[in-house]
Amino acid sequence: GAVVSQHPSRVICKSGTSVKIECRSLDFQATTMFWYRQFPKQSLMLMATSNEGSKATYEQGVEKDKFLINHASLTLSTLTVTSAHPEDSSFYICSASLPGFQRGTPYEQFFGPGTRLTVL
Amino acid sequence: SQQGEEDPQALSIQEGENATMNCSYKTSINNLQWYRQNSGRGLVHLILIRSNEREKHSGRLRVTLDTSKKSSSLLITASRAADTASYFCAGTSGSRLTFGEGTQLTVNP
Repeated sequence: GAVVSQHPSRVICKSGTSVKIECRSLDFQATTMFWYRQFPKQSLMLMATSNEGSKATYEQGVEKDKFLINHASLTLSTLTVTSAHPEDSSFYICSASLPGFQRGTPYEQFFGPGTRLTVL
Repeated sequence: SQQGEEDPQALSIQEGENATMNCSYKTSINNLQWYRQNSGRGLVHLILIRSNEREKHSGRLRVTLDTSKKSSSLLITASRAADTASYFCAGTSGSRLTFGEGTQLTVNP
């Protein structure tokens, strides 16, 4: 099956620093990647949709200057949390879709294992 | 904003019993999917049911979809302790997945 990895799996940083999270599709090329945020005991909230080679589309209420997304290749998308604050502490999950997604096969969205961010 | 609501929010049963979780959604969907998440881990896709389907089975899983009521249910039969996890429904509209609030299932040995 299609495998998506995230790195790091866990990161602790000081308030005011920036943190980069990588999302990689290991055995397929993903034209679209998605970034979600999940607070404890809550559901996943879509933050942004990232298409290779173009600017990400952010959901309402998500600050694009704070959550920088780069999808430079078909196998890698990065999320950078800039000037992180304790309220940014969360579980960040990415997903990647196969090219067939565009043909209306939405189940071809594969999730990474998540990154736990703790901002002190 | 979250589209779906799930009921119950938490469910605790004994091993061997069946577990039923319900999900409601507000907007139109192309299909509905169920995912499982173990604590602090990523999502595992369980099953997809298309909007023109009413029921689907996969192993010990049975999913129903009622588009007139905008609701779906997930039944896990003969539950096992290893089924302990959070279960989320997600409606698909276009390219978007919108997740429900989730049900925390605990299966006691």
